[in-house]
Amino acid sequence: GIQVEQSPPDLILQEGANSTLRCNFSDSVNNLQWFHQNPWGQLINLFYIPSGTKQNGRLSATTVATERYSLLYISSSQTTDSGVYFCAVLYSGGGADGLTFGKGTHLIIQP
Amino acid sequence: ETGVTQTPRHLVMGMTNKKSLKCEQHLGHNAMYWYKQSAKKPLELMFVYSLEERVENNSVPSRFSPECPNSSHLFLHLHTLQPEDSALYLCASSQGPNTGELFFGEGSRLTVL
Repeated sequence: GIQVEQSPPDLILQEGANSTLRCNFSDSVNNLQWFHQNPWGQLINLFYIPSGTKQNGRLSATTVATERYSLLYISSSQTTDSGVYFCAVLYSGGGADGLTFGKGTHLIIQP
Repeated sequence: ETGVTQTPRHLVMGMTNKKSLKCEQHLGHNAMYWYKQSAKKPLELMFVYSLEERVENNSVPSRFSPECPNSSHLFLHLHTLQPEDSALYLCASSQGPNTGELFFGEGSRLTVL
């Protein structure tokens, strides 16, 4: 099946810093989503971005499908940004495998 | 009302118990999913339903039994579970099977004693 690798696995930053999270995938995809998992376990949708660039407030994302990677940018980090960020992709080769998730980036923003 | 609702949020059960997890989506979607999230492991797809028909069973043990009575409701029936089945179980829905954006519920945290 398709492989999804996220980096870095852990990231500790001071409040106000900027960060870039990376997602590499091993095959062509027709769906890519970024999620933030809050402390209670819920996955919050950040971006649905199979290609191109999107922005939502302090967050933005870019997917370069031809090069099989996506980047999530967080600017002016706040303590509420802490949590685990997941990238998930849908293989475009057919089948009913659902989204394949990476292992996540655990982000800690210190005050 | 949130798009995807799961109950109960927390469940503790013994290995001989029978319990069920419930999921309801209010988004008008046609596909629903069960995912499992264990400690230190990526989210794993368990089942996919499209218009109440199961389209994917990802080699899940028979002690997990899904049921989809209509496109808005999805259940996961649990019986004779093992302690290693303790995990966060997440329900999700999308426009179609593997089509469109996936939306998740808040999860049901299961502990098997």
